Amino acid sequence: SQTIHQWPATLVQPVGSPLSLECTVEGTSNPNLYWYRQAAGRGLQLLFYSVGIGQISSEVPQNLSASRPQDRQFILSSKKLLLSDSGFYLCAWASGTNVDTDTQYFGPGTRLTVL
Amino acid sequence: QKEVEQDPGPLSVPEGAIVSLNCTYSNSAFQYFMWYRQYSRKGPELLMYTYSSGNKEDGRFTAQVDKSSKYISLFIRDSQPSDSATYLCAMTLNYKLSFGAGTTVTVRA
Repeated sequence: SQTIHQWPATLVQPVGSPLSLECTVEGTSNPNLYWYRQAAGRGLQLLFYSVGIGQISSEVPQNLSASRPQDRQFILSSKKLLLSDSGFYLCAWASGTNVDTDTQYFGPGTRLTVL
Repeated sequence: QKEVEQDPGPLSVPEGAIVSLNCTYSNSAFQYFMWYRQYSRKGPELLMYTYSSGNKEDGRFTAQVDKSSKYISLFIRDSQPSDSATYLCAMTLNYKLSFGAGTTVTVRA
């Protein structure tokens, strides 16, 4: 069966510091991978998605970036965090086999607080 | 206008009541409709998904889609305190999900 991991689970960082969040998926090959942010009381905002190694699409212009160095690894980064980057960051995977019916499965999330 | 609008709630119901959750959408190209359940401080988990208009049942849960009205619903029968969570509707287009803002439900014992 497939599992998705995210770490760290919780992170407190000062404004202006760098960020690296990691997501890995087990039990599947060539998944589509996604990064979302969920602000308090808000829905999920798609930040980046990737349909293959080195292929990243950005949905929202901001000071965040994403990379996919391996098939089942997805990294979210920032060089300098802003207060507005605080939130709950979720990674998700989908099989990528059917553009219309693909179901996304979410990881446990990373709660980021920027002070 | 947001692509997906969800009744904001919150909802508080007594145990055993029927919970009704609703979303509307504007893009008729959406093909696949899902409901996720998210417990506090956890990632969303897929609850139900459906492709066509009509009803789909899974135990105490019924998902309803009306593509002509661009309206989807989730009904929870015989609600339990363990159903207390935030429920998110979502719909797919070209590998991407568009989410509603979520409705927080509390089932009182």
